[in-house]
Amino acid sequence: GQNIDQPTEMTATEGAIVQINCTYQTSGFNGLFWYQQHAGEAPTFLSYNVLDGLEEKGRFSSFLSRSKGYSYLLLKELQMKDSASYLCAVSKADSNYQLIWGAGTKLIIKP
Amino acid sequence: NAGVMQNPRHLVRRRGQEARLRCSPMKGHSHVYWYRQLPEEGLKFMVYLQKENIIDESGMPKERFSAEFPKEGPSILRIQQVVRGDSAAYFCASSPQGGQENTEAFFGQGTRLTVV
Repeated sequence: GQNIDQPTEMTATEGAIVQINCTYQTSGFNGLFWYQQHAGEAPTFLSYNVLDGLEEKGRFSSFLSRSKGYSYLLLKELQMKDSASYLCAVSKADSNYQLIWGAGTKLIIKP
Repeated sequence: NAGVMQNPRHLVRRRGQEARLRCSPMKGHSHVYWYRQLPEEGLKFMVYLQKENIIDESGMPKERFSAEFPKEGPSILRIQQVVRGDSAAYFCASSPQGGQENTEAFFGQGTRLTVV
């Protein structure tokens, strides 16, 4: 079967660092996406990893290990506006347009 | 350059009525995807369309649901004889190409359907 797991909710402090993990089991793999979704709004693209390793983009970084079926999103210097849900999605190798989505991790930032 | 436009943003229907959700993709995008999101859950793929063609409707219920993307005009997701369980947020996304390319998809603001 196909499965993507993320923690349901995480809490962190403004200015700190937080790591959101995502593990996946899918029939084929052709890349992993991270999206941010504020309550009541559309998901917005954050990152895409297809090769092992770390991709850094400003305060956000995303890591992938294909052999372990594991990814994480790292957020540094947290700001209150980072309070949102973070969705992990895997692209299936046999149908690249179809993304399999995790349920999302709700990140709560406290002052 | 307008993004993906969905309307209406909010739609209330009584049980048994029809719901029509519209999606205009970004300019230059010919691939449209519809997703459903229940409260506190992730996005669930429903259907993938190109102009005048349904490419994959494996995530769409066989009954009461249909989708189209005509040559002219927006993509339409149609739900007939709505039931309470259809209440959800329906998101549309578009991309310039699909198939072999892992292209970022851009999402609309969604239509929140409430069935009373």
